[in-house]
Amino acid sequence: NAGVTQTPKFQVLKTGQSMTLQCAQDMNHNSMYWYRQDPGMGLRLIYYSASEGTTDKGEVPNGYNVSRLNKREFSLRLESAAPSQTSVYFCASSAQGSSYNEQFFGPGTRLTVL
Amino acid sequence: LAKTTQPISMDSYEGQEVNITCSHNNIATNDYITWYQQFPSQGPRFIIQGYKTKVTNEVASLFIPADRKSSTLSLPRVSLSDTAVYYCLVGGNTGFQKLVFGTGTRLLVSP
Repeated sequence: NAGVTQTPKFQVLKTGQSMTLQCAQDMNHNSMYWYRQDPGMGLRLIYYSASEGTTDKGEVPNGYNVSRLNKREFSLRLESAAPSQTSVYFCASSAQGSSYNEQFFGPGTRLTVL
Repeated sequence: LAKTTQPISMDSYEGQEVNITCSHNNIATNDYITWYQQFPSQGPRFIIQGYKTKVTNEVASLFIPADRKSSTLSLPRVSLSDTAVYYCLVGGNTGFQKLVFGTGTRLLVSP
């Protein structure tokens, strides 16, 4: 039981390049999330998927797109990377979407945009 | 979700008890109080959750007064490995809610 996995762990991009961050969970959770965390800051929600087949914007969605490929997988795409997107990206999942339900986080992807 | 306020940072020494208080004046009737812990270079992890009075597990205790407008996370006899950021969140148990982690409380435990 791996929990929440993310790939890649590290990535360096040049401005304007695109990439997709992958996330998968094996806990049969309905809800999945993408957060970003800048140095010394808390987590900010980028996009979420309350259930399979649905996605919605969080606090900071500009410059990102997401796909809930199936119940297990939730990917985050940067179409044209910018230095302001340099951050650590965390994927998380929970059984249901209420805050009562524990969110399980992946190990994170450290992205640097030059 | 109810807005929460917690100290930005706290310092402690090994072996001491640490209490981190979170204010949530506009907590709703069906809201629960949840604390997460984040070690450097890792994602947050759930440590404890409660609705009222006291909850204790193998990691921490959570004290919630009768008016529920605040809560206190208690870490007994901290060690260096308890150095982390601690987030207090408040939200209900129905419907979808977007968690707001804020900046949390940065706890530094020294030898």
